Amino acid sequence: GAVVSQHPSWVICKSGTSVKIECRSLDFQATTMFWYRQFPKQSLMLMATSNEGSKATYEQGVEKDKFLINHASLTLSTLTVTSAHPEDSSFYICSARAERESYNEQFFGPGTRLTVL
Amino acid sequence: GQNIDQPTEMTATEGAIVQINCTYQTSGFNGLFWYQQHAGEAPTFLSYNVLDGLEEKGRFSSFLSRSKGYSYLLLKELQMKDSASYLCAVMDSNYQLIWGAGTKLIIKP
Repeated sequence: GAVVSQHPSWVICKSGTSVKIECRSLDFQATTMFWYRQFPKQSLMLMATSNEGSKATYEQGVEKDKFLINHASLTLSTLTVTSAHPEDSSFYICSARAERESYNEQFFGPGTRLTVL
Repeated sequence: GQNIDQPTEMTATEGAIVQINCTYQTSGFNGLFWYQQHAGEAPTFLSYNVLDGLEEKGRFSSFLSRSKGYSYLLLKELQMKDSASYLCAVMDSNYQLIWGAGTKLIIKP
């Protein structure tokens, strides 16, 4: 159980276009989802925390108007990279929090590799 | 500030044992996680410690000392497929995961 999917798994787009990435919790309801970005040979960087039915909380330095997050249901959160530029090329990973008996565990999607030309 | 420290890279031999250390300073503590991440893939969960002591799970074990702000991941009987990055993450008082930069483990035959 606790499977998280992401779509698409990879995308190549032209500079200036917008890209939408979907994150779904397939077999559990996730009130909280997280969006991370990871550049090559670097660790995960939290971009924002997404709560169902409310506005996302963005980390310092992350432009909320550029990275639009919508968490419309308990199983779906979307990240839209607006007017993408080559420096936005990265590995984007979502995770969904599930409550376990004694702790909260995050389950990760497989990631989306974005390349902006 | 919050800080997680782990070695950048380690090398070990197939069949041997390796210990990856992690020290942390965070705002509150709600557990420490170890994840494995192969290149180009998302992290996968390995272990969770919230109480002091050793948790064993097959070839992998994880240890925690809250008073010392210290944890280690122990990998036994190393296999080539264990070559990956190992990420230490601490859940703080807001239930946010604070991530270390990861330790790249290289296994040699």
